[in-house]
Amino acid sequence: AQTVTQSQPEMSVQEAETVTLSCTYDTSESDYYLFWYKQPPSRQMILVIRQEAYKQQNATENRFSVNFQKAAKSFSLKISDSQLGDAAMYFCAYRGMNRDDKIIFGKGTRLHILP
Amino acid sequence: SAVISQKPSRDICQRGTSLTIQCQVDSQVTMMFWYRQQPGQSLTLIATANQGSEATYESGFVIDKFPISRPNLTFSTLTVSNMSPEDSSIYLCSVRLSRAEAFFGQGTRLTVV
Repeated sequence: AQTVTQSQPEMSVQEAETVTLSCTYDTSESDYYLFWYKQPPSRQMILVIRQEAYKQQNATENRFSVNFQKAAKSFSLKISDSQLGDAAMYFCAYRGMNRDDKIIFGKGTRLHILP
Repeated sequence: SAVISQKPSRDICQRGTSLTIQCQVDSQVTMMFWYRQQPGQSLTLIATANQGSEATYESGFVIDKFPISRPNLTFSTLTVSNMSPEDSSIYLCSVRLSRAEAFFGQGTRLTVV
């Protein structure tokens, strides 16, 4: 069975600095999707970034980028120029390519932004 | 993307009662999902709600406790029945469109006293 592991329960970063959140996963599949979701205190889960495993190029969305290491099964999220609004729980997630595959979430990392 | 409206946003309920949570999507979707997020925890899938068929429940969740309706392609409800304090959680509705990612409603924060 697939698993997603986030080893950092909490992290803090100074405003305007860069922070990297770690995620590892386990799967026997060769093609799959990986995601980072953000959950601010408002509770709504917001998709931050998505990566297809067959793409070698790391996904980027403005200040958010990933370091996808397929062989190592690692999928870290880098947040540049951290802002107060980035404070939230961040969940790494995995989904297989089949239509009926479910999304598997990690336990989350709570990110604090220090002013 | 999809806009998902979930109601109520929060509620405080007496033990032994039931609460029905509604989820409305602004487009037709085949699969809708209900998640539970216990305090400080990750998301756990309760069930998948397909229009025109019975919901598919994950291990540890049963229809008697969490009955789900899916009357059309834009709407679903989840009922939390015979509630106890252990049911205090955030309940989230989610849909998946043609792309791989899921979109979520705002969540319902349920407190059972």
